[in-house]
Amino acid sequence: AQKITQTQPGMFVQEKEAVTLDCTYDTSDPSYGLFWYKQPSSGEMIFLIYQGSYDQQNATEGRYSLNFQKARKSANLVISASQLGDSAMYFCAMREAGGLNAGNNRKLIWGLGTSLAVNP
Amino acid sequence: DARVTQTPRHKVTEMGQEVTMRCQPILGHNTVFWYRQTMMQGLELLAYFRNRAPLDDSGMPKDRFSAEMPDATLATLKIQPSEPRDSAVYFCASGLVQGGGTEAFFGQGTRLTVV
Repeated sequence: AQKITQTQPGMFVQEKEAVTLDCTYDTSDPSYGLFWYKQPSSGEMIFLIYQGSYDQQNATEGRYSLNFQKARKSANLVISASQLGDSAMYFCAMREAGGLNAGNNRKLIWGLGTSLAVNP
Repeated sequence: DARVTQTPRHKVTEMGQEVTMRCQPILGHNTVFWYRQTMMQGLELLAYFRNRAPLDDSGMPKDRFSAEMPDATLATLKIQPSEPRDSAVYFCASGLVQGGGTEAFFGQGTRLTVV
């Protein structure tokens, strides 16, 4: 079963408007972390924002914020005042704590990504 | 500005040839990941290392792929013999995992084409 689901293969937004990219996750682990990465056409992967499962507040980093709804198991990325340079693929990922025997042996589990196009 | 460095950036090779991809993780990072990205499969974890020890390589075809960390500044991913289906972008990422969450910093990738 998919652990990370990004239901929007592609999204479009007008420059300067806000856009929300959806991400839902599936885990029974009470301790986990959620990540968003951006991949522009140049191919590199750029870390954007992190949310821990025990964090009391939603994470924010500049124009990026994470709408974390734990009960719904969703971690949507909100980009405010979108810019042309925001056009890229966006990936949601999760790391589970893995239980007592996992130690630090935790992997990132990735969604398939959402392609965002910002229109001028 | 610390970053993960991957070489080569592009590689075109003939089927059956050996391919070696190299990665220099960020100094001080204790975890190195190898990923493969294709249009069909998305981002797949091939292997990862913690303090140079391989922790999980279950995502890697063992018969032809091998990953090593000969020292803390170098990780290698080798394919021998290469096949056209290995054509993909291969990413190396490093991170400092001490507990809780931490970001993985990615290199720019090696775009491999096997003809």
